[in-house]
Amino acid sequence: AQSVTQLDSHVSVSEGTPVLLRCNYSSSYSPSLFWYVQHPNKGLQLLLKYTSAATLVKGINGFEAEFKKSETSFHLTKPSAHMSDAAEYFCVVSDPGANFGNEKLTFGTGTRLTIIP
Amino acid sequence: DTGVSQDPRHKITKRGQNVTFRCDPISEHNRLYWYRQTLGQGPEFLTYFQNEAQLEKSRLLSDRFSAERPKGSFSTLEIQRTEQGDSAMYLCASIKSPRSEQYFGPGTRLTVT
Repeated sequence: AQSVTQLDSHVSVSEGTPVLLRCNYSSSYSPSLFWYVQHPNKGLQLLLKYTSAATLVKGINGFEAEFKKSETSFHLTKPSAHMSDAAEYFCVVSDPGANFGNEKLTFGTGTRLTIIP
Repeated sequence: DTGVSQDPRHKITKRGQNVTFRCDPISEHNRLYWYRQTLGQGPEFLTYFQNEAQLEKSRLLSDRFSAERPKGSFSTLEIQRTEQGDSAMYLCASIKSPRSEQYFGPGTRLTVT
């Protein structure tokens, strides 16, 4: 079975300071990992994805994440927070090898990021 | 705009009524997924289609729920005899399988009174 644990339900950082959103995953086979962002009253938008290529993945808007198999982690970082980054962030795992080819996404419970001016 | 559209965006209905939602995926995408998101939670998988075939249904999908994807294009999700517990955001996503990202529609927010 695949699962995701987001270690912080709420993170607050000051504008211009680094952002760290933590995620641990569990999967039997070879997972794909994603981070999605959801702004209020907006749809889910893909930030970045890992699919067994480079372990350091760069995404949109200056975000990046590092896949660490030994730690089963996929933490999201950004060097300098911007006011527009305030949103809900979801860590997501997909493991079709463990699900008979079903590429269903399993979401974490989300981390609400607040940016302090 | 991801290219996936859903209609309606909002639906308010009384308990016991039937509702139907529509999803139009990106045209070249062969797989279509339905998810449900309740307040304060991440989306949860409901069901998915490969072209017109429904391949898997979650245990979350009770007998009151039915989904179709005729001709492998748009999809509909129907809820019969709605209950207050059905109140949620219903999300549709499409993907060009394999190993691609899922593109989400804006969702249909259902409120059952």
